[in-house]
Order: sequence, then C-alpha cells, then structure tokens
Amino acid sequence: EADIYQTPRYLVIGTGKKITLECSQTMGHDKMYWYQQDPGMELHLIHYSYGVNSTEKGDLSSESTVSRIRTEHFPLTLESARPSHTSQYLCASSVDGSNYGYTFGSGTRLTVV
Amino acid sequence: KQEVTQIPAALSVPEGENLVLNCSFTDSAIYNLQWFRQDPGKGLTSLLLIQSSQREQTSGRLNASLDKSSGRSTLYIAASQPGDSATYLCAANTDKLIFGTGTRLQVFP
Repeated sequence: EADIYQTPRYLVIGTGKKITLECSQTMGHDKMYWYQQDPGMELHLIHYSYGVNSTEKGDLSSESTVSRIRTEHFPLTLESARPSHTSQYLCASSVDGSNYGYTFGSGTRLTVV
Repeated sequence: KQEVTQIPAALSVPEGENLVLNCSFTDSAIYNLQWFRQDPGKGLTSLLLIQSSQREQTSGRLNASLDKSSGRSTLYIAASQPGDSATYLCAANTDKLIFGTGTRLQVFP
C-alpha cells in the first residue's frame, strides 16, 4: 500500500545530541516537505525538496538540515538538539504538478530535555 | 505572502447539528485548497481537495466550497457525530501549502 512513513513516532532526547528524523514514501512522489508544529499552533514549512539533490529552506527558519539522495527518502537532522527544538515534525509528499494534494505522515513528536 | 485564517477557532456542539467551518486566504492565485483533519498528537488526514477551477467537492457528510475570487472556502459537516471531534485545517496551495490555525471541533453526545 502506497504511504508515507515517519520514524520514530516519539523521541525523548538529551540536550546536545544529534538526531535524525526519518521520512520515507512509497508513492514515487517528486516533492517532499517538512513542517513543524508546536502544540496547539499552526504548521510551518521548514524544508522542502522538488527531487533528488534538491533542497530548499521553508518559510520558518530552522536549525535543522535535510538531504534528498533518493526519491523516496527525505531525512531531517538536528546536529545538536536543544529544548527549543521540542515540537512535532510532520513530513509530507506530493506529485509534481499543481493539481495534486499533499499526503502527510503520522509525525514525530520530539522532546528535548 | 499568503495568509490563511480560520473561523471559528473552536466550536462545541451537540451531536446531530450541521456545522459550518470557514477559511479565508489573502492570495487568490491558488492552485487548489485542501481540508485536513488532525486528531490530538497525530498527523494530518486529507478530507477534501478542491481545484482552483472547481466550486465544491463532496465526500460523504462533508462538503467543501471554494470562492477563489473572494478568497474563501467553507467546510460543511452534516449531522455531526462525536467521532467528528478533531481539529480541522484548511491549507491553500500556491506552490507551497500554507495552513490556517485550525478550528477545534468538539461534538458531544
């Protein structure tokens, strides 16, 4: 079944640790996105990619980085986690073209202590 | 810069009522508009996608309308049920998806 997968679902980690949030999709979508959502707040785009070796920063500044080496995989990395990074991170993908909607993963809830 | 606003921010209704959730956007040059449902602490589930050339879309008890020229979309929920309790988000697609702050809906028995 075509879908978009995020791991881990929950992560509690200490300050200063390096972490990578995984996002994979089996739909062959060219476009992928990372959104950040604080509790009770709106979603903000932090990174996006239009294909392999393409990455761009979104509207909300983030200390995280992303890579797109394979079409299906779009991991997000924090080199040194801080409590201010505590949030929910949502990955999405879409077909190239303006007529298509976005498909979202279940999210990773990150807590930095 | 696209801005998306949703009214009301929260809604609490008894089961069986017909509901209207409103979404407005500032840049009418959208490709499409998408409505999502989000349960607490979870990801987003797509409910309806309306293309810029369409006026409305229907799925079961849900109906979404789009008036691009006035920058408005409305989600109608018929015969609401407790299982409809969630946050409803609209998002305008102008190459990137821009979200509103959502309407938190509670339907009580």
